Amino acid sequence: EIVLTQSPATLSLSPGERATLSCRASQTISNYLAWYQQKLGQAPRLLIYDASNRATGIPARFSGSGSGTDFTLTISSLEPEDFAVYFCQHRSNWPLTFGGGTKVESK
Amino acid sequence: EGQLLESGGGLVQPGGSLRLSCAASGLTLSNSDMSWVRQAPGKGLQWVSASGIGGGTTYADSVKGRFTISRDKSQNTLYLQMNSLRADDTAIYFCAARMATSPWAFDIWGQGTMVTVSS
Repeated sequence: EIVLTQSPATLSLSPGERATLSCRASQTISNYLAWYQQKLGQAPRLLIYDASNRATGIPARFSGSGSGTDFTLTISSLEPEDFAVYFCQHRSNWPLTFGGGTKVESK
Repeated sequence: EGQLLESGGGLVQPGGSLRLSCAASGLTLSNSDMSWVRQAPGKGLQWVSASGIGGGTTYADSVKGRFTISRDKSQNTLYLQMNSLRADDTAIYFCAARMATSPWAFDIWGQGTMVTVSS
């Protein structure tokens, strides 16, 4: 099973600041990585798939990069609605797994 | 725009059974990879089971032999039959589908249905 390790666990930032979230895979997964945003009481929302492709309707301030084992989600300038929990997920093989999440909170 | 609506959750005793349903609108399930993903209270996301376009199914080790995923094309509905339920199966269960992305990256999610296993 591929383990995805997200860091940091919590990121305390102010609106307008840049957020950089990391996801590291326990073995190479090519670019088969997705990022999701989840707000309290809501379902996850797909942001990025295949490491760097924005999903439909996702603002350009969200970008993804990486391949192999190290991946990054960047939010270029935080908007108030971006404070949430972010999860990565691989689709390289079975079982699919998710990272433990990074909470982006308002400082 | 595709939508998914789960139902069937509730309170069940350990060892009991439940069947979850996920009704789709605006998308045809037979053309989509589908999965069930769960989230225990205050915890992260855990993939549970998948049903591929070609009919193949797969399961997390923690539910293998106890849960069964299936589709009814005529009803455009995905199901999860859950038997021999345990306390650690307590979670919100989401169904998820791929509509406009790569295989097994899910851009459509239901709102979730809560399953509580307790005596």
